[in-house]
Amino acid sequence: SQQGEEDPQALSIQEGENATMNCSYKTSINNLQWYRQNSGRGLVHLILIRSNEREKHSGRLRVTLDTSKKSSSLLITASRAADTASYFCAYFMDSNYQLIWGAGTKLIIKP
Amino acid sequence: EAQVTQNPRYLITVTGKKLTVTCSQNMNHEYMSWYRQDPGLGLRQIYYSMNVEVTDKGDVPEGYKVSRKEKRNFPLILESPSPNQTSLYFCASSLSPIFDEQYFGPGTRLTVT
Repeated sequence: SQQGEEDPQALSIQEGENATMNCSYKTSINNLQWYRQNSGRGLVHLILIRSNEREKHSGRLRVTLDTSKKSSSLLITASRAADTASYFCAYFMDSNYQLIWGAGTKLIIKP
Repeated sequence: EAQVTQNPRYLITVTGKKLTVTCSQNMNHEYMSWYRQDPGLGLRQIYYSMNVEVTDKGDVPEGYKVSRKEKRNFPLILESPSPNQTSLYFCASSLSPIFDEQYFGPGTRLTVT
């Protein structure tokens, strides 16, 4: 079974602190995407970074992509209680249209 | 409103009783896919479809069937469900798999006893 790797599996921080999650993959990719899921609900897209991009921002989110290391990171700055959720990375291998997912990072923001 | 709908949202059934979970999108998306989510395993792709009449196996296709007769619909069929197919299932769609985000349905929680 193919799966990307994410770390940490769980992260608990104080409100206002920054949270960083990492995703690693094994193959060449077309793009890498990050999603958020609130307790068993549907996933919500956060940001997509293409293989020729190195960094992308969206509000308090910053995503980096290092294709030489086959890794990506998601940074959430100035965290809020509403950021409590699970975060997943996903990517398309450049050989087909199968979407591979990481196992996710469970983020808890303490008030 | 642009959305992906799934039905039913919850289903409890018995081993061997054929069932279908429907998925429909109103965004004229080319790409549709089905995932299952199990605790600690993240999402795993079951099947995907690039367009009408074009379907391909994902990571865990065994025990499932799909069809794409119309662009908007992508039903998931379990011909003979077994307890190991108890899971949370998501349908998703996107305009282009490579360049665009996936839009997810609300999920179907299936229990097979």
